[in-house]
Amino acid sequence: GENVEQHPSTLSVQEGDSAVIKCTYSDSASNYFPWYKQELGKGPQLIIDIRSNVGEKKDQRIAVTLNKTAKHFSLHITETQPEDSAVYFCAARFRDSGYALNFGKGTSLLVTP
Amino acid sequence: EPEVTQTPSHQVTQMGQEVILRCVPISNHLYFYWYRQILGQKVEFLVSFYNNEISEKSEIFDDQFSVERPDGSNFTLKIRSTKLEDSAMYFCASSRQGGGEQYFGPGTRLTVT
Repeated sequence: GENVEQHPSTLSVQEGDSAVIKCTYSDSASNYFPWYKQELGKGPQLIIDIRSNVGEKKDQRIAVTLNKTAKHFSLHITETQPEDSAVYFCAARFRDSGYALNFGKGTSLLVTP
Repeated sequence: EPEVTQTPSHQVTQMGQEVILRCVPISNHLYFYWYRQILGQKVEFLVSFYNNEISEKSEIFDDQFSVERPDGSNFTLKIRSTKLEDSAMYFCASSRQGGGEQYFGPGTRLTVT
């Protein structure tokens, strides 16, 4: 079936460094790719999203890039801070799945001071 | 800022019992969703709901599950006869449009003993 793969599963960076999380998807007709941040004991929080008609989107320290040919998209966090520590999930909306989001397995990001 | 709310935050039930999980979506949103997350695993889609009927459902959403919008604000998920494997975090989400951003609630942790 259609799938979203996410790497790495854990990522540790020093405060101020950049963090990059990558996802690949299988359905070439996918058209919407959100990223969620989940802090301990809370629900997923939408932090940024991108649609298939653009290649990059930026919001302050967070950016997402999309390569439709290679079927992968990435989350970039610059100037990381300890409060960026959380689990990050990528997701994709597949052509045949209506409005359902299909999630990756998550990346646990730890930003150390 | 409007938020999706969910009650209860934690529900413990015995195998075979019925449970109802409740959600209040964001007030001007028209599309509603349930997802679940088994401990340590990825978020999985269960069902979407629009205009008082199910739009789509996953293989997980079998005859034991049902959803309802009993009034103008609540959206519920009922599990008729719970099994041990139903233990998970259940997240409600809502979006203004079908292809729009989905905002998640804080979740209900369901423990089936």
